[in-house]
This record gives sequence, C-alpha cells and structure tokens, in this order.
Amino acid sequence: QQPVQSPQAVILREGEDAVINCSSSKALYSVHWYRQKHGEAPVFLMILLKGGEQKGHEKISASFNEKKQQSSLYLTASQLSYSGTYFCGTGGAGGTSYGKLTFGQGTILTVHP
Amino acid sequence: KAGVTQTPRYLIKTRGQQVTLSCSPISGHRSVSWYQQTPGQGLQFLFEYFSETQRNKGNFPGRFSGRQFSNSRSEMNVSTLELGDSALYLCASSEGLRSYEQYFGPGTRLTVT
Repeated sequence: QQPVQSPQAVILREGEDAVINCSSSKALYSVHWYRQKHGEAPVFLMILLKGGEQKGHEKISASFNEKKQQSSLYLTASQLSYSGTYFCGTGGAGGTSYGKLTFGQGTILTVHP
Repeated sequence: KAGVTQTPRYLIKTRGQQVTLSCSPISGHRSVSWYQQTPGQGLQFLFEYFSETQRNKGNFPGRFSGRQFSNSRSEMNVSTLELGDSALYLCASSEGLRSYEQYFGPGTRLTVT
C-alpha cells in the first residue's frame, strides 16, 4: 500500500519553513526521504529506521512516529535550491526488506525569492 | 567516489521488441534496486539484487526481469514491450547489508512506439 504524503504542494518564500508528512496504513520499519528536481534523479536526503536510528544531511531533519505510522520532514529557512518534488519511501519489514521501497505520490515544493 | 551510472540514457523501441538496460552501482555497493517512474503511477519498485541474488521483488509481470553480475553491475530486461512500458527506469545502489540508503542513477528514458 502506497504511503500518503501531505500536502500535495506547497509554495514558500525564501527563509520560510515547511513540513511534509508521510503516513502509512501499514507498520513502518524504515522511511526514506528523497528530493527530485525536474529531469533529474531522486537525491537521498534522509533515512529513519525503527528504533530511532537516522542518517542524512545536516540541514535536514525528520521525525519517525512508529505508533502513528507517520514520518515528517522539516525544512527550515528554505532556500531556492530546496525546490523540487519530495518523496517518502517506506521499506519492508526486516533488514533485507529495507531496500524494497514503496513511494508516496510526492509533494511539490516551490521556493520563491 | 563515482556515482551510479546507467546506460543508455535514452532509448526508443517498437512495441513487441525487447530491451536491456544497464546499471553500474557505486563502488563497494552490493545492492542494486530498479524502479519505474511514470507520471501516472509515480515511482514503483521493480526488484532488488544483492550479491547476484534477487532479494526483493515488486508487482510487475514476468516480462520484467533482471540479473546482477559478480562485480555488482546489474541489467534489467523487458521483453515484448508494450506502450505502457514507456517510462523513466531508475536504478539505485546501496551498501545493502549495514546501511540501506539508496543512491539513484540518472535513469534511462524508454519510449515505446
């Protein structure tokens, strides 16, 4: 089942903050966040694992709520370069299934000067 | 470190033909995953190979197959192409055993006419 992302689109001015949510109807074991710019490949931002481990870029933060089966990506002091489509991907149960990602439909983020 | 490379970058094929796409992962990565990206269906997981073995599989018909070689390079094959197979095919590499973040290649844009 595909995770649901919200909002579908968000428009910001430089310096503003944004939160992108990812909700799953199934238990979450890992959540992967990516940003994709038009015509380019998705770029890894962050991975969060059940149990609290997380790894990612310094300027990006995210949360992982196992009970609510949700993850949120926090973008603070946005820059023009943050524009793009953000995807969350949820991994399967168990270590060897972390790589089988089911992606949400994406959130389009546009940052204006 | 060199990133993930995919060849060819663009391909035009006729319905009924078959196609083989290639992916070279980041040096040291043993896992390669393949995804199909279309405007309608988004990013969909095809399969993952780890140490020459298919470790995870998505919900695609048997016309889609893959393999991985001892140097971790992977190929994906689609037989009897259909118009609906037109898509961006992305591969992603991961260390795959102790860390699971995936790094995407630039993709192969396949057009079936």
